[in-house]
Amino acid sequence: NAGVTQTPKFRILKIGQSMTLQCTQDMNHNYMYWYRQDPGMGLKLIYYSVGAGITDKGEVPNGYNVSRSTTEDFPLRLELAAPSQTSVYFCATGLAGTGELFFGEGSRLTVL
Amino acid sequence: GENVEQHPSTLSVQEGDSAVIKCTYSDSASNYFPWYKQELGKGPQLIIDIRSNVGEKKDQRIAVTLNKTAKHFSLHITETQPEDSAVYFCAASKASGAGNMLTFGGGTRLMVKP
Repeated sequence: NAGVTQTPKFRILKIGQSMTLQCTQDMNHNYMYWYRQDPGMGLKLIYYSVGAGITDKGEVPNGYNVSRSTTEDFPLRLELAAPSQTSVYFCATGLAGTGELFFGEGSRLTVL
Repeated sequence: GENVEQHPSTLSVQEGDSAVIKCTYSDSASNYFPWYKQELGKGPQLIIDIRSNVGEKKDQRIAVTLNKTAKHFSLHITETQPEDSAVYFCAASKASGAGNMLTFGGGTRLMVKP
């Protein structure tokens, strides 16, 4: 039981490049989330999904896209990377009716 | 939307002392208040939570109190140990059919000196 797995753990991008952060879970949770964590700051919600085929914007969605074709996978796409997207990205899952979120170990992205 | 403020941003205590971290929230409809601990290089992990129908909850050395009238809640850690050193986040949310979206505070870096 791996829980929430994020790849890659580290990545350096050039301005204007695009990439996808992968998130997969084996917990059979219906809710999935993407947060970003900037130095000294709390976590900000980028996008979330309440089930396969359903996604919605969080607090800071600009510059990102997501898809949820299966219960297990929730990839985050960055188009035209900008220095402001330098951050640590966390994927999380949760069960409907409970409050607890289960986080992956994070993906550290640097845009130069 | 919800806004969560957390203080202090850093806290240094001697081993064995108590540590208190405080949070305030803005949305009176929020009814769920978890605390997460983040160790270096790891994702946050839930350590304790409280719902709005309860004023206090305790789990061994950690406790959380909630004052709904004042819209603030606090984390109390007693008999601190070096392994308590981490970043702690408070959060708030309200029941919603759109998913349990948490709004996080800015975090407190707790350092426990042996």
